[in-house]
Amino acid sequence: DAKTTQPTSMDCAEGRAANLPCNHSTISGNEYVYWYRQIHSQGPQYIIHGLKNNETNEMASLIITEDRKSSTLILPHATLRDTAVYYCIVRVGDSSGSARQLTFGSGTQLTVLP
Amino acid sequence: AAGVIQSPRHLIKEKRETATLKCYPIPRHDTVYWYQQGPGQDPQFLISFYEKMQSDKGSIPDRFSAQQFSDYHSELNMSSLELGDSALYFCASSLTLAKNIQYFGAGTRLSVL
Repeated sequence: DAKTTQPTSMDCAEGRAANLPCNHSTISGNEYVYWYRQIHSQGPQYIIHGLKNNETNEMASLIITEDRKSSTLILPHATLRDTAVYYCIVRVGDSSGSARQLTFGSGTQLTVLP
Repeated sequence: AAGVIQSPRHLIKEKRETATLKCYPIPRHDTVYWYQQGPGQDPQFLISFYEKMQSDKGSIPDRFSAQQFSDYHSELNMSSLELGDSALYFCASSLTLAKNIQYFGAGTRLSVL
């Protein structure tokens, strides 16, 4: 899996968009970008993933740069319940024969402020 | 929608005792994973099972063992418990065709005294 770099922490005002960056300059062509989050002491939660096109679901949007060396997770209207550690994970696609486990590196502690 | 069920939610044991953690995956999910999260640390992969066979192995101590049963539930058995085993233990499940999208349970908090 490609190495990722994320800021250690970020703050965001409630109701504003939270933009969480992730650098993955060594990403390979067959690797996807996955985002998970972990609210304190709860199990990690899948958010979104993408290969090269921007993606949006009910939770968030994922913007991947054209060269795919970085991406941004966007929570459009952050709430206090979005306070969590956000993990950016780069992995080959599901159809590969790679090992199944997720590797959680150092994520970003997002604190949404009232 | 059904989620991953873990039991117990909390467990207190003494050193050198044994513990068994249980995990019931989402129905029709064929892959189960176990992760350990120590205080202030990120989740670390322990072991996984696909269709009741051990699939991958991470940093699981020899004192720990796990299995997946015919109904797909899984158990993590921990023996000769040490103080350092105190942690949150998460179980996750997925479809093998979507193994990068894992659904996690609420975890079992194990305290070894």
